Amino acid sequence: SAVISQKPSRDICQRGTSLTIQCQVDSQVTMMFWYRQQPGQSLTLIATANQGSEATYESGFVIDKFPISRPNLTFSTLTVSNMSPEDSSIYLCSGLGGAAEAFFGQGTRLTVV
Amino acid sequence: GENVEQHPSTLSVQEGDSAVIKCTYSDSASNYFPWYKQELGKRPQLIIDIRSNVGEKKDQRIAVTLNKTAKHFSLHITETQPEDSAVYFCAASLGGTASKLTFGTGTRLQVTL
Repeated sequence: SAVISQKPSRDICQRGTSLTIQCQVDSQVTMMFWYRQQPGQSLTLIATANQGSEATYESGFVIDKFPISRPNLTFSTLTVSNMSPEDSSIYLCSGLGGAAEAFFGQGTRLTVV
Repeated sequence: GENVEQHPSTLSVQEGDSAVIKCTYSDSASNYFPWYKQELGKRPQLIIDIRSNVGEKKDQRIAVTLNKTAKHFSLHITETQPEDSAVYFCAASLGGTASKLTFGTGTRLQVTL
């Protein structure tokens, strides 16, 4: 199955700054997604990264806060903008395999101070 | 949108016993139901999935059953081992190559010696 490399694996950031997370897939995938996971909790979908068009955001998430790029079928970025301590979380990217099974990057543990 | 409930939130079993985790979903159009295992600090890993055209699927010690009429599905782990200790998430989607997953709240399984 395909493999996603996600970076950075962790970061500590000052409030008010922005962090861009990158995901690289080793093969082309139709769909990529971005999730947020608070420690000890489930995965919440932030948005679907659409290749060549604007991302589709879930309720409660907006483009100005979480801009997403997907320039091709193997790469996507998520930016967490104007960060506050409430943005501290684990961010995961995901791709869909040939049988529509989802696989994940290793996650980015973000701490905002 | 889809809503997935998962029970129990924690489960402790003795090594060699069986473990059962149950999920219910709300959208009758959902037709793909994967289960993920997430070890501490690691990415979620797909362990088994089922589609709505089958009622049961088994892979060695792991099985999943699906009742579309009642809109619930379950994960069964037999002969549990300490390495089965992890958080397990169920999920549901419409299936296909463009479908997002809605996750359950997770079950923390502890297998004791």
